[in-house]
Amino acid sequence: QSVLTQPPSVSGAPGQTVTISCTGTSSNIGAPYDVHWYRQLPGTAPKLLIYGNNNRPSGVPDRFSGSKSGTSASLAITGLQAEDEADYYCQSYDSGLSDSIFGGGTKLTVL
Amino acid sequence: QVQLQESGPGLVKPSQTLSLTCTVSGVSITSGSYFWTWVRQPAGKGLEWVGRIYTTGSANYNPSLRSRVTVSVDASKNEFSLRLTSMTASDTAVYYCARGRVEMSGPHFDVWGQGILVTVSS
Repeated sequence: QSVLTQPPSVSGAPGQTVTISCTGTSSNIGAPYDVHWYRQLPGTAPKLLIYGNNNRPSGVPDRFSGSKSGTSASLAITGLQAEDEADYYCQSYDSGLSDSIFGGGTKLTVL
Repeated sequence: QVQLQESGPGLVKPSQTLSLTCTVSGVSITSGSYFWTWVRQPAGKGLEWVGRIYTTGSANYNPSLRSRVTVSVDASKNEFSLRLTSMTASDTAVYYCARGRVEMSGPHFDVWGQGILVTVSS
């Protein structure tokens, strides 16, 4: 069981907006350590999507945005496209475990 | 352009030791503000952090693997390695190497290798 909790799956139609939540505790997200998001296309390695709660690496479209409040964080994807279908993982740091921790992942299906 | 490439055996027998290497190109492995890490992913499951090493040589490990895992660095070859002893079927996974950025607000992983599938089977 992952320290960070994500919904197993979300779905949306092309053009819609979806959000993926990531819930932690006072020893990680609420500590407050930053939340980062990764996208993993089928059969490929994870790729950094959002870092430092709401920053996009170069090349990531502004359709992707992150936010954080208290012990939770969210990833929002606007203007959903077929190629957004992937697994999404949140990641933070836990002071109690002294480890980097991941959420269990959320599978996004584009209807 | 920073690139990471894993190498090693794709098949390991139970009880044996796994040794993987990650070759780093495009940046010196000793450059500051980074650390080097291993993450694994069993088939159909999520990501699990395995361990990391800093440019100082200091290493940290996942508590669940600490007794079996060692991460080391060879600066002369610009590569770092993973050693995992007493392998069992539950260690079957895709193993990724990645670069971590050291931040006061918590680290993240900005460059990943393509991954290598390691199967534990007799």
